[in-house]
Amino acid sequence: EAGVAQSPRYKIIEKRQSVAFWCNPISGHATLYWYQQILGQGPKLLIQFQNNGVVDDSQLPKDRFSAERLKGVDSTLKIQPAKLEDSAVYLCASSTGQYNQPQHFGDGTRLSIL
Amino acid sequence: GIQVEQSPPDLILQEGANSTLRCNFSDSVNNLQWFHQNPWGQLINLFYIPSGTKQNGRLSATTVATERYSLLYISSSQTTDSGVYFCAVRSGGSYIPTFGRGTSLIVHP
Repeated sequence: EAGVAQSPRYKIIEKRQSVAFWCNPISGHATLYWYQQILGQGPKLLIQFQNNGVVDDSQLPKDRFSAERLKGVDSTLKIQPAKLEDSAVYLCASSTGQYNQPQHFGDGTRLSIL
Repeated sequence: GIQVEQSPPDLILQEGANSTLRCNFSDSVNNLQWFHQNPWGQLINLFYIPSGTKQNGRLSATTVATERYSLLYISSSQTTDSGVYFCAVRSGGSYIPTFGRGTSLIVHP
């Protein structure tokens, strides 16, 4: 079974530029998560999709972050404009969709803001 | 929201030693996972264990849901066990998975 795919692996941009990350979940997984992990901290959930609908985005900074999951499969997360404090690893995870099922993570995208 | 506390924050071991990592949570949970984040940043599932005990090789985990804690046991540690171990939970009334701050483990040869 193929795992969660993310791209790019690394991205370096200057502040105020925009950036986008892509995630393809495990086939058949209805739930998709985007997390932000700042160095030295645990991952923090940004947004959770169930199929193509948003379950929770209460921790997403909506003035600069946006995410979509068209057709309920792959997803993109965008930051525009980026700030220095957005430097982090952005992790995508998926699960089958039942609350009592485990999450499976991709390798993440390491974002550096100059 | 639910609070998740992991201890100890840091742990240094000699190869071959055993260790116990703890995860305390402030509310009842219906979902609990242990992850290992390796030095390359990959988050690897170790256990899905909202209750009970599971074992996988040198690793085992126990969750006592009624007392709101989970333990991860590592026996005969190896240098490849180095990294950060995270506990992540979801409480009964929330869709949001919450991670602890992790335990950073270094195993010396």
